[in-house]
Amino acid sequence: AQTVTQSQPEMSVQEAETVTLSCTYDTSESDYYLFWYKQPPSRQMILVIRQEAYKQQNATENRFSVNFQKAAKSFSLKISDSQLGDAAMYFCAYRRGGFSGSARQLTFGSGTQLTVLP
Amino acid sequence: KAGVTQTPRYLIKTRGQQVTLSCSPISGHRSVSWYQQTPGQGLQFLFEYFSETQRNKGNFPGRFSGRQFSNSRSEMNVSTLELGDSALYLCASSLSGRAWETQYFGPGTRLLVL
Repeated sequence: AQTVTQSQPEMSVQEAETVTLSCTYDTSESDYYLFWYKQPPSRQMILVIRQEAYKQQNATENRFSVNFQKAAKSFSLKISDSQLGDAAMYFCAYRRGGFSGSARQLTFGSGTQLTVLP
Repeated sequence: KAGVTQTPRYLIKTRGQQVTLSCSPISGHRSVSWYQQTPGQGLQFLFEYFSETQRNKGNFPGRFSGRQFSNSRSEMNVSTLELGDSALYLCASSLSGRAWETQYFGPGTRLLVL
């Protein structure tokens, strides 16, 4: 079974600074997708960024970027120029490629609570 | 386009009762997934429906069931509620449930079992 590990339950960052959240995963699959979701106090899960395992280039979305190390099974999220609105719980998630069975579900890590200090 | 909606947003039930939660996906989305979120177990997959058929089920007891209607709206039912069923239940929709598709989440239904 696939597992996703987030070893940092809490992190804090000063406004305008950069922070990196860590995530490792375990899988024997070669075709999979990785995601970072943000869950603010409203509890609505919002997709931050995604990475296809077959792509070597790291995904970037504005101030958010990932460091995808396939061999090490590591998928960290870097937030640049942190803003107060970035404060939330961040979840790393994995999804197997394909069309059936467990390919149809996300496996989440335990989350990292990010605090942004003014 | 309206997002994923879930009703009700909050529920209080007592042990032994049953509950039904509803999820309306984004228009045009045919896949609906359900997740349970608790402080102890985190986010866990319950089941996924596509075109009225359950395509995948997580490791939950048979007290947890669901269904999907022809308009893609989905309901999940929990019978004989236990205290441990207190959780935030999240629904997510995507076009067809394929692995590369983004899943869009609703605001959740918070269930408290007393």
